[in-house]
Parts: sequence; structure tokens; C-alpha cells
Amino acid sequence: AQTVTQSQPEMSVQEAETVTLSCTYDTSESNYYLFWYKQPPSRQMILVIRQEAYKQQNATENRFSVNFQKAAKSFSLKISDSQLGDTAMYFCAHYNFNKFYFGSGTKLNVKP
Amino acid sequence: DSGVTQTPKHLITATGQRVTLRCSPRSGDLSVYWYQQSLDQGLQFLIQYYNGEERAKGNILERFSAQQFPDLHSELNLSSLELGDSALYFCASSGRARDIQYFGAGTRLSVL
Repeated sequence: AQTVTQSQPEMSVQEAETVTLSCTYDTSESNYYLFWYKQPPSRQMILVIRQEAYKQQNATENRFSVNFQKAAKSFSLKISDSQLGDTAMYFCAHYNFNKFYFGSGTKLNVKP
Repeated sequence: DSGVTQTPKHLITATGQRVTLRCSPRSGDLSVYWYQQSLDQGLQFLIQYYNGEERAKGNILERFSAQQFPDLHSELNLSSLELGDSALYFCASSGRARDIQYFGAGTRLSVL
């Protein structure tokens, strides 16, 4: 079964500090894609970052970066210089064979 | 704005009723995905269509059905509604890069 697990239901971080959100997944495939999505209170799903499994280099998008450990099936998101606007639910997702699998989410609170 | 349009934004109905949710994908996108997000949970993949054909199926109930029309818009039909069907229903579309999805704003369904 292909599953995505986010073990941190809720996290808090002070503004301007760094926080890391964890995600593990399970798949028997060698080629797939991994994502982090942000869902602010507006409920809109916003793509934060994307990683192709065959690429060893970790993806980076401005203040957002990932630590992709393929052998360990781990895909964590690091948010640097946290901002109040980063407050949201964050979902880890895995894509393979036309299906997307989402984790249960981590609620991130950025405190002033 | 993602370019994906979902209507209606909100829907309130009673148990046992049938409703239709509509999704217009981004211009040129051939793939449409439907998801269900129950309160404070992750997204559950329901079904995917590609250019009018069903491509992948997730945990979609038999009471639910979907289709994609020649103009590429898609409809999700929910029948014999139960209280537990109350949720946010998202549509997403993708183009040539099938792993990159663009989400609509969702339809919030309340079954009373």
C-alpha cells in the first residue's frame, strides 16, 4: 500500500526562526514525485515544493527546502526565516501511477 | 488564482438527497482529479479523468460518480447523501506535467 505519514499533528515556531516538518512515505516504486502543499485558513491548496525521486539534489524554493532521503523514504520540509503568513496546514503528498496520496497534515503556527 | 473553477462554493442539503459539483479545469489541461477533505483531515483521492476517460480510481463510494465532458469540464455526482459526506470537495487539473496539480477553491458540502 502506498501511504504518507506525517507524525506531527501540530507545531509552533517563532517568527524568523527555522522549523522542520516531517514526512515518511511507503512505496515499492523507484520513480515517483513528492510534494509539500500549504493550506492556509482560506482552504486553498498551494503547492510549496516538488521533488522528483530520481533527482538526488534536494529541491529548494526560496525559504523552503526539503531533505529527501530516498532509502529511508523520508521527505522533510524546512522553512527558514518563518513568517506569520506561513501559518497554515502543511500536507505532504506522493504521486505515482496517476494517483496522489496525501498525509494527514501538520498544523503550523508561526508566533510573533 | 489557479485557473481551476469550482461551483458552487457552498452547498447545503439534506440526507438522502443528490447533488452535483462542477469543475472547470485550467485552459488546456486534460486531466481532472477529485478529492474529498473531511474536517481537519488530509485529502482523499476519489477519481481522475483524462480527456474524457476515467484514468484512476481511489476510495470513491458507489454512491458517488463522476464524468468528464467533451469540453473537459467535470462533474462529481453524490447521491443518497449521508451526514458523513459533509466535507470540502476539491477539484484539481494538470497538463503535460501530470504530477503538477492546480487546485480549485473547493466546494463545501454540508449535509443536514
